[in-house]
Amino acid sequence: AAGVIQSPRHLIKEKRETATLKCYPISRHDTVYWYQQGPGQDPQFLISFYEKMQSDKGSIPDRFSAQQFSDYHSELNMSSLELGDSALYFCASSPNTGANEQFFGPGTRLTVL
Amino acid sequence: EDQVTQSPEALRLQEGESSSLNCSYTVSGLRGLFWYRQDPGKGPEFLFTLYSAGEEKEKERLKATLTKKESFLHITAPKPEDSATYLCAVGTNFGNEKLTFGTGTRLTIIP
Repeated sequence: AAGVIQSPRHLIKEKRETATLKCYPISRHDTVYWYQQGPGQDPQFLISFYEKMQSDKGSIPDRFSAQQFSDYHSELNMSSLELGDSALYFCASSPNTGANEQFFGPGTRLTVL
Repeated sequence: EDQVTQSPEALRLQEGESSSLNCSYTVSGLRGLFWYRQDPGKGPEFLFTLYSAGEEKEKERLKATLTKKESFLHITAPKPEDSATYLCAVGTNFGNEKLTFGTGTRLTIIP
């Protein structure tokens, strides 16, 4: 079965620009999570969605927003990019809320110049 | 606040030399403890979920165990392809779905 798909895989932006990251969850997975991983750091939770509604929020800057669409794919929108936003951004999906493992995508490497 | 601490930070082993990685956790209510493997520049790969103290799970050369305060990932007779960063994460049961990760153990297996 296909895994989580993320696009683009690499993205280079200038400071103050905007970026949109896309995530396509595993088929029949209705919960999507976004994580940010800086160099040498562990993944930090940003935000999650269940059945197209925001279900939990972590340390996500106000400059970032996200949503989940009717086909369950999700987009992370990032505005007024800063140098410190350079990181790997992972999307993960799980079948439903509760004690279920999350399956991660390959990530989008964002570089802000 | 949920906390996850992994040790050691880095571990170098000879091929075939067995060892264990530690994950200590402090959470308000454990929903599950998860082990992931991460290769450089790639997404974490799911390995195991443990739900209650005393539970054990195995997969090839890996075995994960759980107590009320910590989890161990035992690696038996490792091979060079086992080299990776191993991440431990916890999920709690107060409506939070997020995973809180430890900083990982970077494992290197020397041929």
